[in-house]
Amino acid sequence: GENVEQHPSTLSVQEGDSAVIKCTYSDSASNYFPWYKQELGKRPQLIIDIRSNVGEKKDQRIAVTLNKTAKHFSLHITETQPEDSAVYFCAASLTSGGSYIPTFGRGTSLIVHP
Amino acid sequence: EAGVTQSPTHLIKTRGQQATLRCSPISGHTSVYWYQQALGLGLQFLLWYDEGEERNRGNFPPRFSGRQFPNYSSELNVNALELEDSALYLCASRGRGKSETQYFGPGTRLLVL
Repeated sequence: GENVEQHPSTLSVQEGDSAVIKCTYSDSASNYFPWYKQELGKRPQLIIDIRSNVGEKKDQRIAVTLNKTAKHFSLHITETQPEDSAVYFCAASLTSGGSYIPTFGRGTSLIVHP
Repeated sequence: EAGVTQSPTHLIKTRGQQATLRCSPISGHTSVYWYQQALGLGLQFLLWYDEGEERNRGNFPPRFSGRQFPNYSSELNVNALELEDSALYLCASRGRGKSETQYFGPGTRLLVL
């Protein structure tokens, strides 16, 4: 089955710096890669996703890049703000053939210091 | 439009008891997924229901079971509770067909004493 590794487990940055979280996956057939943000005591919320036919996607201060050959994808947050502090989860899933079960990474705790 | 809802928010049980957790998906969504989020372990897939049928289950023992009702709401049952079952249980729903995104509920925090 799919295996997703996520690094680092904890990331501490100063407000205004950039933050990068990296994930690798094992199943080359995976074709959908969402990123979720989970604030303390709250539900995971989708912040951005990318499909395997796209190499990069941006949404304001957030961007995701995908390298299918190397089987890794990354989340980039620019100009970090204290409200970006949360746990971020990457996931990989195969959405063809009726299977939509994502495998999640273990999460990265991002701390943005004001 | 209401999001995914779960009940109860918190549940305290003793070892050996049974727990029942409930989930209502977003209106129009037919798929419900259950995950266990234990401290430091990320989200572990438990069960997937779609159109009333169990479609897949994760690597959990049979005492974790559930069902999906005709209105697409779902129930997770955990029998013979063990201390290690203490975790946040998250439910997520997904739309029909090839819709890919899962939307999570707030979770049920289960504590087994």
